[in-house]
Amino acid sequence: NAGVTQTPKFRILKIGQSMTLQCTQDMNHNYMYWYRQDPGMGLKLIYYSVGAGITDKGEVPNGYNVSRSTTEDFPLRLELAAPSQTSVYFCASSYSIGTASGQYFGPGTRLTVT
Amino acid sequence: QQQVKQSPQSLIVQKGGISIINCAYENTAFDYFPWYQQFPGKGPALLIAIRPDVSEKKEGRFTISFNKSAKQFSLHIMDSQPGDSATYFCAASAYNTDKLIFGTGTRLQVFP
Repeated sequence: NAGVTQTPKFRILKIGQSMTLQCTQDMNHNYMYWYRQDPGMGLKLIYYSVGAGITDKGEVPNGYNVSRSTTEDFPLRLELAAPSQTSVYFCASSYSIGTASGQYFGPGTRLTVT
Repeated sequence: QQQVKQSPQSLIVQKGGISIINCAYENTAFDYFPWYQQFPGKGPALLIAIRPDVSEKKEGRFTISFNKSAKQFSLHIMDSQPGDSATYFCAASAYNTDKLIFGTGTRLQVFP
């Protein structure tokens, strides 16, 4: 199993541009999550999904959109990128929130908006 | 009320010593408390987790101590090794949500 894969690894965007961060998992997990990680701030939940076709907002959803058309894929869309969206983005998946195995995280995407 | 407060921000320990990281929460609905370990350039990975029906859980050199009345939990790393040098995050979630709330992280450095 590849686990959780994310593309791209790095990206530089200009202010106002848009992009999609890709996330795929091959563990047949129902739950998937998008987090952003800023220095000294821990991880903040952007959006999450409990299954195909179902998404919900996390703590910091403004400026982002998601979709979940399949169990495997959970892309994160940034519209009109702003410098405040400079961050490291992590996708994660799990069987459920409280399982012994926890959430499996991808390697992250480092995004810079200039 | 959704916050999880973590301390210290950074920790330096000598090889063989005990590393202790503390977290506190306010939301009494939280019922799942995991700790994640993150190495530079990698995503976090689950280290150990506890539920409030027990006061302690041990896995190898890693122990979670849980104090329900004080709403605090801590991670103890016994016989700390240089390979334990990483950032550690505590987290919590409530039984009626699917969302983890993370602490701000502790950067642990273990010197030989």
